[in-house]
Parts: sequence; structure tokens; C-alpha cells
Amino acid sequence: GAGVSQSPSNKVTEKGKDVELRCDPISGHTALYWYRQRLGQGLEFLIYFQGNSAPDKSGLPSDRFSAERTGESVSTLTIQRTQQEDSAVYLCASSPTGDEKLFFGSGTQLSVL
Amino acid sequence: GENVEQHPSTLSVQEGDSAVIKCTYSDSASNYFPWYKQELGKRPQLIIDIRSNVGEKKDQRIAVTLNKTAKHFSLHITETQPEDSAVYFCAAEGFYGNKLVFGAGTILRVKS
Repeated sequence: GAGVSQSPSNKVTEKGKDVELRCDPISGHTALYWYRQRLGQGLEFLIYFQGNSAPDKSGLPSDRFSAERTGESVSTLTIQRTQQEDSAVYLCASSPTGDEKLFFGSGTQLSVL
Repeated sequence: GENVEQHPSTLSVQEGDSAVIKCTYSDSASNYFPWYKQELGKRPQLIIDIRSNVGEKKDQRIAVTLNKTAKHFSLHITETQPEDSAVYFCAAEGFYGNKLVFGAGTILRVKS
């Protein structure tokens, strides 16, 4: 079936605007991650959803960032009042149970002008 | 929580030589250790993984070794080729339900 799908693939926004990024994980995958990757940098953990458990939000950099997941399906990452330092690729990944291979989406390139 | 350190940050080798990347982790309960390869402009992809019940795993030119006592694991690439050039990330995960934590990455350059 289809892999992890992210939309939009590119997003250009003005400083101060809100943005919403979407991730469609592979059907049946209980684990879902959001990572941020700045140019030439590593994978910065943002948030982790595992089944019906409370999400691990320990990586969210500020209260401008929030994420939701509907059951074991779609997740949205929302960034309010965007800043230039939010510019990065936002990667979503899902896994069947949480301790197995991660399948990454192709990411959303966010540019804040 | 888990902390993963990765060394070196950059590694240059001559084509045909071996490359070794090392990672240490802090949580002794961690039991799953994958390695991901990210080519320029592409998404990370799993290349090999190991669980704590084995000490070594090999897949063609790639091998991973795990030392649970010392809490470190390493990626070994033999007979390197230019297409091995990429960023490599190690990661560690604790028992079920704990998140996967990545190292900072190693830029591998294979010179032909």
C-alpha cells in the first residue's frame, strides 16, 4: 500500500502566520513521530504518539507548537505565530508497533519569510 | 530519558576502505538499535537494526555490533563505494512505548 504521506510538500508563509502540516501514516501503524530537520542538521524530536496513550510532547520547542492525532490515523502539526527560526523540513514517521522500523514521509519544507 | 551520542560527526574514507561509526546510549533498558541512512534531499531509510538479545548482525557490506555492558553500538561498512556517501543516524529505543531517540548524525564521504 501507500507509504507515509505528508502535505503540503512545500509551504511558504509570512512571519506571524499560523501553519498546519498534515501526516497520513501507513494504515495500522500505531506509532507516529514528528521530527524537525534544519538544513544540514540532525533529526530533532518533536512529539510521539503511541496508540491510545498520552502523547510524548517533550520535544515541542515552545507553546506555539502543538500536534493532534485522530485515533491511529491522520496527525496534524500546528505552528502558531511562525518565526523565521521555524524554517525547516518537518518529517513525519510511523511504525507498526513502536519498536520496529520507522517509515518516513517525504517531509514538508517550511519557509518563514 | 534516553540520550544518544554519535561519533564522528564527519568521516572521509577512500573508496574500498572501511568506515566505522560509533554511538553510545544512556538508558540501560534500551533494547532496539536501528541505523538510518539519509541521502541528500531524501528521507531517512533504515539500513540495519539490532536488538539487545544479539551482539552482532550483518547484511552484505554492512554490520552492526552491540556491547550492552558498555552501552555502545557501532556501524561498520566494508569496501565502501561512492554511493555510500550520505548522512548516517543511529538511534536507541527502550521498552515498548518509549520513543526512538536519534544521534546527531555522521556525514560519510567516500572519495573515489
